[in-house]
Amino acid sequence: KNEVEQSPQNLTAQEGEFITINCSYSVGISALHWLQQHPGGGIVSLFMLSSGKKKHGRLIATINIQEKHSSLHITASHPRDSAVYICAVRIIQGAQKLVFGQGTRLTINP
Amino acid sequence: DVKVTQSSRYLVKRTGEKVFLECVQDMDHENMFWYRQDPGLGLRLIYFSYDVKMKEKGDIPEGYSVSREKKERFSLILESASTNQTSMYLCASSDRVITEQYFGPGTRLTVT
Repeated sequence: KNEVEQSPQNLTAQEGEFITINCSYSVGISALHWLQQHPGGGIVSLFMLSSGKKKHGRLIATINIQEKHSSLHITASHPRDSAVYICAVRIIQGAQKLVFGQGTRLTINP
Repeated sequence: DVKVTQSSRYLVKRTGEKVFLECVQDMDHENMFWYRQDPGLGLRLIYFSYDVKMKEKGDIPEGYSVSREKKERFSLILESASTNQTSMYLCASSDRVITEQYFGPGTRLTVT
């Protein structure tokens, strides 16, 4: 079993829909990252959080440490949000290393 | 803005060749990382370095070596490339305290 599990693996939605991507982990962590990868490869860090909730524009990330679960929400989704979204955790005993989920491929149709 | 650059976006090499992938960051970061990314497997750590001339094995170091002679540069070396090393290779860097990782654009390596 992977230490970091994301769901769904693939998600297709219509423009304007509210999107939720989930991430569950099974280890003790000091921080959780949400990353975005567009076709072509480049990865951009969206959020790094260790508790509560963060918001940036139409993106919201939440984390529940007790339940070992995080969600990434996109409000008013747009075709340019189409990308792979990756959850990664920094485990407590892992120094600077991250453990990655397999990613969620999001497609937003106009 | 942090900038992480990689020497090539696309690379085609033959089986048995020695391959060098270079990564340079301009933010004076202590930590640098090499990952490979394969469909269905996600990102996997090959090696990382937390200081000049220091390196540690990641989860899949077999068939790879690294070099960090200068703080800003971290090289990944495939001593004798094999077809199962065909992959997307991503470099990242972070500072010692903040730990948010900044990624390069990736190198898609094909070994034929």
